[in-house]
Amino acid sequence: GAVVSQHPSWVICKSGTSVKIECRSLDFQATTMFWYRQFPKQSLMLMATSNEGSKATYEQGVEKDKFLINHASLTLSTLTVTSAHPEDSSFYICSAVGDSNQPQHFGDGTRLSIL
Amino acid sequence: DAKTTQPPSMDCAEGRAANLPCNHSTISGNEYVYWYRQIHSQGPQYIIHGLKNNETNEMASLIITEDRKSSTLILPHATLRDTAVYYCIVRVSNTDKLIFGTGTRLQVFP
Repeated sequence: GAVVSQHPSWVICKSGTSVKIECRSLDFQATTMFWYRQFPKQSLMLMATSNEGSKATYEQGVEKDKFLINHASLTLSTLTVTSAHPEDSSFYICSAVGDSNQPQHFGDGTRLSIL
Repeated sequence: DAKTTQPPSMDCAEGRAANLPCNHSTISGNEYVYWYRQIHSQGPQYIIHGLKNNETNEMASLIITEDRKSSTLILPHATLRDTAVYYCIVRVSNTDKLIFGTGTRLQVFP
């Protein structure tokens, strides 16, 4: 149980395009989803917290207009990287949690490369 | 937010127990300790979590000191597939947020 699916696994696109990443909880309802970014040889950095039906809460230094988050249902959250540039190239990972005090379960990440 | 301190790297022989320490001296009374691991190019995998009591599951055991200022994750019989970065995290109080530190890179060798 507690499977989180992330799509796509990897994407390569040109500078200036927007990229959407999906995160789905397959066998549980996620009250909260999280989005992280990880650069090579570094740890995960929390970008934002997403609750179903409400606006996402962004961590300090993360541009909300750059990284659009939508959490339209209890099983789906999306992250859109708008007007992506090479410096946005990174490994993006989502996680989901059901009831409080239960662990976050992570997707397998999306490797984004902007040319 | 309570910070954690872990050794940057450890080695362990295959078949032996791997004991990964973590210091969290500023932990508050209602904050949980979580352990995750990340194998290269994958999302983190949940291992175990605890509040005060020692915990055990099919993957590992978690030993938390009585003062809660430190804990140890024990992999009883390490295999090569346990080679990964192991993160000890104190969940932010009154939220579900996890703030990842730098973790311990565990290398299991034959």
